[in-house]
Amino acid sequence: AQSVTQLGSHVSVSEGALVLLRCNYSSSVPPYLFWYVQYPNQGLQLLLKYTSAATLVKGINGFEAEFKKSETSFHLTKPSAHMSDAAEYFCAVSPGGGAQKLVFGQGTRLTINP
Amino acid sequence: EPEVTQTPSHQVTQMGQEVILRCVPISNHLYFYWYRQILGQKVEFLVSFYNNEISEKSEIFDDQFSVERPDGSNFTLKIRSTKLEDSAMYFCASSPTGDNSPLHFGNGTRLTVT
Repeated sequence: AQSVTQLGSHVSVSEGALVLLRCNYSSSVPPYLFWYVQYPNQGLQLLLKYTSAATLVKGINGFEAEFKKSETSFHLTKPSAHMSDAAEYFCAVSPGGGAQKLVFGQGTRLTINP
Repeated sequence: EPEVTQTPSHQVTQMGQEVILRCVPISNHLYFYWYRQILGQKVEFLVSFYNNEISEKSEIFDDQFSVERPDGSNFTLKIRSTKLEDSAMYFCASSPTGDNSPLHFGNGTRLTVT
């Protein structure tokens, strides 16, 4: 069985500061890992994905995430927060193969302070 | 850019009534999905659909739920006899292939059962 834990349901940072959103996963098979973002009144949009290639994955909008197998983590970072980054962020894991049965974390709401 | 569209954006229904949620996936995609998010809880997988049949479903997807692709463009989720606990945001998604191809989500339908 697979599971995802996102530490912190709400993270607040100042504009220009480092963004760090934490995600730990549990998987009995080599996982595929994803970060999705949800802006108000919109659907989930893929930020980036890890699929067993490079452990440091770069995504859209300046975000990146590093897969650390030893720590079972896939934390999302951005060096400098922008006001437009305010949204809800979801980490998800999938066993891969065929249809994607994503297992999501509970989400982290990111607030950017001016 | 092509997108997944869902209608209606908000549906209110009385307990025991049937409801149909509609989705138009991206036209060249082959895999279709329904996920839901009860307020304050995680996004949960309901069902995946490929080659005109259900490829996988979760424990949530019981006999009250059904999916259909009635023509070449629509993908519907039917709940036969709604319960209060079916109140949630329902997301449709599609992907071009299975495995690690990213899911494209619609903006969701908020279902309120009274």
